Amino acid sequence: ETGVTQTPRHLVMGMTNKKSLKCEQHLGHNAMYWYKQSAKKPLELMFVYSLEERVENNSVPSRFSPECPNSSHLFLHLHTLQPEDSALYLCASSPHTSGGGQETQYFGPGTRLLVL
Amino acid sequence: QKEVEQDPGPLSVPEGAIVSLNCTYSNSAFQYFMWYRQYSRKGPELLMYTYSSGNKEDGRFTAQVDKSSKYISLFIRDSQPSDSATYLCAMSVTGNQFYFGTGTSLTVIP
Repeated sequence: ETGVTQTPRHLVMGMTNKKSLKCEQHLGHNAMYWYKQSAKKPLELMFVYSLEERVENNSVPSRFSPECPNSSHLFLHLHTLQPEDSALYLCASSPHTSGGGQETQYFGPGTRLLVL
Repeated sequence: QKEVEQDPGPLSVPEGAIVSLNCTYSNSAFQYFMWYRQYSRKGPELLMYTYSSGNKEDGRFTAQVDKSSKYISLFIRDSQPSDSATYLCAMSVTGNQFYFGTGTSLTVIP
């Protein structure tokens, strides 16, 4: 994958661990997103950043902490997670967030997270 | 009531069949509609994008939007084993926040 990359691809962590997920986009986009994908559930939007500023937080628990140091990089810091947080975490980017529908999102391959 | 309803399947068809995938929605303000394809261990990739009502065709894929019925469809003609994936519908009011279906798992049998 060359558009949006995510590391690590797989992560197993205990409930007391602290870890970070990394996303990098090589598309020159200004907006980046974190989604959670659980089995048999719709994608859940977690965070939206536009030009490095957070514009939306869909009431995500504080044990998830995003960071966007620049328009190409996005992190999701994890601490004291619960087993129900096990899921596929997807990063996406788009040219902008300001509507128009043309702002299609390009997804990374995801990080498969397992919390024990 | 969920914003977007999508039958999770699984759906299994023989190679060459016409596949019909559908989503219904409750918010009449949705006007941007998308279909994504997601292969195993990969992120979703955009297949089709439609604004408002009508049809859109791209090769073997046709997307239809019926706003009066709050119903969207994706048709795949001459299905191939490489079409085996999970198909996600997504829709939005403003093009900012997208609401996704749960995805339909499709297997095309050679």
